[in-house]
Amino acid sequence: GNSVTQMEGPVTLSEEAFLTINCTYTATGYPSLFWYVQYPGEGLQLLLKATKADDKGSNKGFEATYRKETTSFHLEKGSVQVSDSAVYFCALTSPNTDKLIFGTGTRLQVFP
Amino acid sequence: GAVVSQHPSWVICKSGTSVKIECRSLDFQATTMFWYRQFPKQSLMLMATSNEGSKATYEQGVEKDKFLINHASLTLSTLTVTSAHPEDSSFYICSASGNQETQYFGPGTRLLVL
Repeated sequence: GNSVTQMEGPVTLSEEAFLTINCTYTATGYPSLFWYVQYPGEGLQLLLKATKADDKGSNKGFEATYRKETTSFHLEKGSVQVSDSAVYFCALTSPNTDKLIFGTGTRLQVFP
Repeated sequence: GAVVSQHPSWVICKSGTSVKIECRSLDFQATTMFWYRQFPKQSLMLMATSNEGSKATYEQGVEKDKFLINHASLTLSTLTVTSAHPEDSSFYICSASGNQETQYFGPGTRLLVL
């Protein structure tokens, strides 16, 4: 079946450090891929998405590229801020379905 | 952007009572709404999918008689936890999607059953 695997956290970084959160997936067909962010005490917000191979999603300085050859959708940011501290969820939807399948989430903690 | 609200944001109830949670899409028509449950430090688990005017489709292992879902209009879905027990304490999150595949999430409702 379809699944998403994320690196375990927490990821602890100093402000302005480079961030990578790994995400790989297993799916039949050509899924759409998403990154959602959950700030403390809030609901999930869509951060970025990509719907086909080699697409790059980007938002707020975050980027992720849909790599079909490695079945990956790693999240990156060149310089993190304290305000980026949150839990990040990688997710996919399969073709012809609206169902989101989430990874377990990765907590990011950024210290000044 | 698309906004989804939930009410209440948190609720405390006694064991055996029923609790209703509302999910509204404020600025778009949601043909499909989803209900999730999130345990502490874990991912979201899909409970059910509902389409406006139709019966909800429940995921395996979710008791449909315990978690009643109604999607009576294109902007409102409700989840009723019937005869709640302490093990039902959790964070319940809804999401809504229109004609596009992107789901927009509500802020969640924290339920504590004493």
